[in-house]
Amino acid sequence: LAKTTQPISMDSYEGQEVNITCSHNNIATNDYITWYQQFPSQGPRFIIQGYKTKVTNEVASLFIPADRKSSTLSLPRVSLSDTAVYYCLVVSGSSASKIIFGSGTRLSIRP
Amino acid sequence: GAGVSQTPSNKVTEKGKYVELRCDPISGHTALYWYRQSLGQGPEFLIYFQGTGAADDSGLPNDRFFAVRPEGSVSTLKIQRTERGDSAVYLCASSFGNTGELFFGEGSRLTVL
Repeated sequence: LAKTTQPISMDSYEGQEVNITCSHNNIATNDYITWYQQFPSQGPRFIIQGYKTKVTNEVASLFIPADRKSSTLSLPRVSLSDTAVYYCLVVSGSSASKIIFGSGTRLSIRP
Repeated sequence: GAGVSQTPSNKVTEKGKYVELRCDPISGHTALYWYRQSLGQGPEFLIYFQGTGAADDSGLPNDRFFAVRPEGSVSTLKIQRTERGDSAVYLCASSFGNTGELFFGEGSRLTVL
């Protein structure tokens, strides 16, 4: 499974767009990029998943360049409630396998 | 309920005791995962099941840890001779197949005194 690297922490302000970039240089052809969000005292929650180009849902957008060696999670117009830890994962699409979390990015939103 | 249920939510035990943590996954989910999370860290993979069998138990830290899923639904994580270093939140997640979309429970917080 490809190792992921993302910033340890980020700060932003309410109403701003926040972009969290993750690198996964060794991603395999059939792997998917998946992002989770975790609030204190809760289990992680799936946000979005993509294979290439751009994916958008009601929560976030995921941008994946052609070489797929990195990805960017974009949170539009953040609010205080978006303060959480965000994890970037690479998930195998070709076979059932374990799913590994890294240390994540601790996002703090200020008023 | 519709979500993943974990019991107990909190467990305090003494060093050397035996502990069982239970996970009730979402009905119909074939895959079940156990993770351990310490304060300030990401979830650490322990084991995952496809159906009744352990497909990958490479994350179990030592032979004091064991997990079962006898009927392909409920799973129990068993920890023998607990140590203070086992104190953590134990998270369970389930998914339908291998989509990468895991549904997590609220966790079981284990404290070993």
